[in-house]
Amino acid sequence: NAGVTQTPKFQVLKTGQSMTLQCAQDMNHEYMSWYRQDPGMGLRLIHYSVGAGITDQGEVPNGYNVSRSTTEDFPLRLLSAAPSQTSVYFCASSSASGGAYNEQFFGPGTRLTVL
Amino acid sequence: SQKIEQNSEALNIQEGKTATLTCNYTNYSPAYLQWYRQDPGRGPVFLLLIRENEKEKRKERLKVTFDTTLKQSLFHITASQPADSATYLCALERSGGYQKVTFGTGTKLQVIP
Repeated sequence: NAGVTQTPKFQVLKTGQSMTLQCAQDMNHEYMSWYRQDPGMGLRLIHYSVGAGITDQGEVPNGYNVSRSTTEDFPLRLLSAAPSQTSVYFCASSSASGGAYNEQFFGPGTRLTVL
Repeated sequence: SQKIEQNSEALNIQEGKTATLTCNYTNYSPAYLQWYRQDPGRGPVFLLLIRENEKEKRKERLKVTFDTTLKQSLFHITASQPADSATYLCALERSGGYQKVTFGTGTKLQVIP
């Protein structure tokens, strides 16, 4: 299993540009989440999904859109990039089997710089 | 407001000693508490999960305690090794509803040979 994969690894954008961060998992996990990690702030939840066709907002959703058309994929879209969105983005997935919110499996991250 | 606190200062210990990391929380009633390890440039990796009705959990050289009265979790690494050097994150998860996890900022551990 590849686990959770993310592309690209690095990206530089200009203010106002849009882009999509890709995330895929091959573990058939129901739950998928997007986090951003900034120095001194810890991981903050942007959006999450509990299954195909179901998404919800996390702690810092503004400026980001998500969709979940398949179990495997959970792309994150930046609508109009701003310097405040410079961060490292992590995608994570987990299984809800047994009724417990189990461990999350994280991807390697995308380092985004907005100029 | 809800708050999770981990010691932001790096923890330096000698190889072979026990490292103890602290995770404190306020205004929170977590159902689960998890510990993750994060190496530079990589995503976090799950280590241990402890439930609110559990006092202690062990896995090899790792031990986690969870005191809901003190609102604190301690994470211990016994017989520490330089390979244990990393940042350790605690994460709290509420019960019921959708998955929503709150992470602490992490504590950087440096094990000195």
